Amino acid sequence: GESVGLHLPTLSVQEGDNSIINCAYSNSASDYFIWYKQESGKGPQFIIDIRSNMDKRQGQRVTVLLNKTVKHLSLQIAATQPGDSAVYFCAEGYNFNKFYFGSGTKLNVKP
Amino acid sequence: KAGVTQTPRYLIKTRGQQVTLSCSPISGHRSVSWYQQTPGQGLQFLFEYFSETQRNKGNFPGRFSGRQFSNSRSEMNVSTLELGDSALYLCASSLGFGLQSTEAFFGQGTRLTVV
Repeated sequence: GESVGLHLPTLSVQEGDNSIINCAYSNSASDYFIWYKQESGKGPQFIIDIRSNMDKRQGQRVTVLLNKTVKHLSLQIAATQPGDSAVYFCAEGYNFNKFYFGSGTKLNVKP
Repeated sequence: KAGVTQTPRYLIKTRGQQVTLSCSPISGHRSVSWYQQTPGQGLQFLFEYFSETQRNKGNFPGRFSGRQFSNSRSEMNVSTLELGDSALYLCASSLGFGLQSTEAFFGQGTRLTVV
């Protein structure tokens, strides 16, 4: 499959545990944030988004938390499964323009 | 419903050559964005087209260009290839302008290797 990052930080979790992936963003004016999942050999896949007027948003098994004070975003995955193994990227954007992506975190789920 | 289709999947070119990559968005989607993905730099925004017009541009040299046709299909071109242009080139399609919410879908990418 495609290599999306040879030197990415890696998070290893046991199947069934909860995972927390963190992201620091750079632009205090960013008003929209997205988390993407990228599996080997595939393009990024949308997971969940959040606007800057919110600090928490929940999806199916995933929760995104936004802390604008410290410009920090996190993705929480509940009951992590082997199929969750992938590289996770956060993206920040301002006024829906010119989205910038973080370098990514590799999630490794151990059975 | 067919997804975003990028062709070719793999490409090998020589330094100095030029290359054209193609992206067919999901039917009905009018916005196409292009990204370069490398291990060292991650995902970097190249440009976005909407209704045949370039709406946004990232910080890439003029050797990188693109266009969009009336059927929303998009092509990107890289001229005078350099070794550093080796990367996975991804396109994303969405209904509207900008990378918005669940409307954005990525293709599998074109792996370009410059030798």
